[in-house]
Amino acid sequence: KAGVTQTPRYLIKTRGQQVTLSCSPISGHRSVSWYQQTPGQGLQFLFEYFSETQRNKGNFPGRFSGRQFSNSRSEMNVSTLELGDSALYLCASSLGGLPHADTQYFGPGTRLTVL
Amino acid sequence: DQQVKQNSPSLSVQEGRISILNCDYTNSMFDYFLWYKKYPAEGPTFLISISSIKDKNEDGRFTVFLNKSAKHLSLHIVPSQPGDSAVYFCAAHSGNTPLVFGKGTRLSVIA
Repeated sequence: KAGVTQTPRYLIKTRGQQVTLSCSPISGHRSVSWYQQTPGQGLQFLFEYFSETQRNKGNFPGRFSGRQFSNSRSEMNVSTLELGDSALYLCASSLGGLPHADTQYFGPGTRLTVL
Repeated sequence: DQQVKQNSPSLSVQEGRISILNCDYTNSMFDYFLWYKKYPAEGPTFLISISSIKDKNEDGRFTVFLNKSAKHLSLHIVPSQPGDSAVYFCAAHSGNTPLVFGKGTRLSVIA
């Protein structure tokens, strides 16, 4: 069974630009969560989508948004990039969503660098 | 305010000895706790979890202990192996709320 895939793996952007990251969950998984990992803050929850609906949202500004498609693939978008957005963005999928957190499977992440 | 704290950024242990990684939390509503392991260039991998109704859960070389009164949990790895060298994240949640992660502890197992 294929794992969680994320594209692209690496991305370099400049301040003010926008970026779209993609996540393909494990086949059959309906929940996709996004996290931001930075050296100073660890992993921080961005949002979770379940059956194309945002079910939970973390404490991030509105520049961070996401969506989920009918095939459970998810995208996250960051507009008006800032230097502080440089981070590893991780996507995790699970069958039933956050109450079953022990079955979250993470992708390898997208490393975003904002210059 | 950081709800899940891993106060040791790094830990070095000799191969064959016990590794003890600690985690403290402040939110008394947390009822499920997890440990994840992360190698460089890979996403975190689920290791072991414990519900708040238990005080110990064991899986092979890995044991997690929960002390609810102290709001403290620990992960014991016995015996430690070089392949255990990674960053370990403690995480917690309650009900349908998102996972809250600690900042991680880098474990180095020295052969």
